[in-house]
Amino acid sequence: QKEVEQDPGPLSVPEGAIVSLNCTYSNSAFQYFMWYRQYSRKGPELLMYTYSSGNKEDGRFTAQVDKSSKYISLFIRDSQPSDSATYLCAMSATDSWGKLQFGAGTQVVVTP
Amino acid sequence: KAGVTQTPRYLIKTRGQQVTLSCSPISGHRSVSWYQQTPGQGLQFLFEYFSETQRNKGNFPGRFSGRQFSNSRSEMNVSTLELGDSALYLCASSSTSGSALGAKNIQYFGAGTRLSVL
Repeated sequence: QKEVEQDPGPLSVPEGAIVSLNCTYSNSAFQYFMWYRQYSRKGPELLMYTYSSGNKEDGRFTAQVDKSSKYISLFIRDSQPSDSATYLCAMSATDSWGKLQFGAGTQVVVTP
Repeated sequence: KAGVTQTPRYLIKTRGQQVTLSCSPISGHRSVSWYQQTPGQGLQFLFEYFSETQRNKGNFPGRFSGRQFSNSRSEMNVSTLELGDSALYLCASSSTSGSALGAKNIQYFGAGTRLSVL
């Protein structure tokens, strides 16, 4: 079983809808949680960063971390066709923060 | 501020050859991590270097190696290439400073080097 589980999708939503993404993990040592967006043939781009539990909002993006359930989420409001990409969750532990463990990535398609 | 730069962008090699990939981190960043991305396995951690020392290592065979120079630039080398080494190799850099405890952990990625082994 992988340390980080993420549904690969694809997830198709109409423009303007809320996109809901999530990951589960098994390593209780994970303290740093990130969401990256990756367009085809590009490197991952950091979207959201959270340390430990809680919620964080940045524009149309909201990240949530529930350490008790080992579950993290990313919500994208008012989705646009330009949001079509692969979304990757990533996390690391305090004693090895340079080593990110990634989920498989969820392909999101926002249709006009 | 310039981002993470990886060279070359594309490489074609044959089985048995070796290859060296280069990564220039964001100015001021001292940590460099390398990842392999394939359709089947996703993004997998290779190793991390900080101040010229390997600090973390993933579960890859010894054919995969790396190093970091005093200016924080890093190289990774793959010897005796196999077909399964075809992948996108990504480099990420992070800072060791920041006002928040976790700020140092933010990794910024380059565009990657796409390696094809024939």
